[in-house]
Amino acid sequence: GAVVSQHPSRVICKSGTSVKIECRSLDFQATTMFWYRQFPKQSLMLMATSNEGSKATYEQGVEKDKFLINHASLTLSTLTVTSAHPEDSSFYICSARGQEPNYGYTFGSGTRLTVV
Amino acid sequence: RKEVEQDPGPFNVPEGATVAFNCTYSNSASQSFFWYRQDCRKEPKLLMSVYSSGNEDGRFTAQLNRASQYISLLIRDSKLSDSATYLCVVIPLTGGGNKLTFGTGTQLKVEL
Repeated sequence: GAVVSQHPSRVICKSGTSVKIECRSLDFQATTMFWYRQFPKQSLMLMATSNEGSKATYEQGVEKDKFLINHASLTLSTLTVTSAHPEDSSFYICSARGQEPNYGYTFGSGTRLTVV
Repeated sequence: RKEVEQDPGPFNVPEGATVAFNCTYSNSASQSFFWYRQDCRKEPKLLMSVYSSGNEDGRFTAQLNRASQYISLLIRDSKLSDSATYLCVVIPLTGGGNKLTFGTGTQLKVEL
């Protein structure tokens, strides 16, 4: 079945630094990538949607200059958290949607970010 | 009102019990519905889609009530391994490109 590899699975960084999270679709072409954030005991909240080769569409309240999304190829999308602060500590998950017949949503395994 | 609402639980049930979860959604034009399962600190995994006619997959039965705007998940003969958070997921019929909208999840704990 479709697999999305997400790295790193866990990262601890200092406040003010940037962190890059990668999601790769291993056996299908991800035409659309969704990036979610999940705080403890809360639902997954969509941050942005990106289509290969075009700019990401951000949800209301998500700062596009802070959360940089790049979807340069059909198999790779990255999320960079710039100038991270402790309030950015969260579980970040990507979800890829492919072309027919892979119309389903395949999730990465998530990245637990802790900013200290 | 939240787009997708669920009772967070936890539902603590003995092994072998039958348990049911409901989920309500606010957008009457929503087009697709799913139940996902999420284990602690893991990614969500698709449990089953929910069809208008209702559908069953082994011990799991999902139903959709469009008139009342809710979906349900019934788990029969619950196992210890069913312990997880069950997420109700809806795709609203907007121009948003098939975005999944998640409920907060209902936590299930199956005990001996």
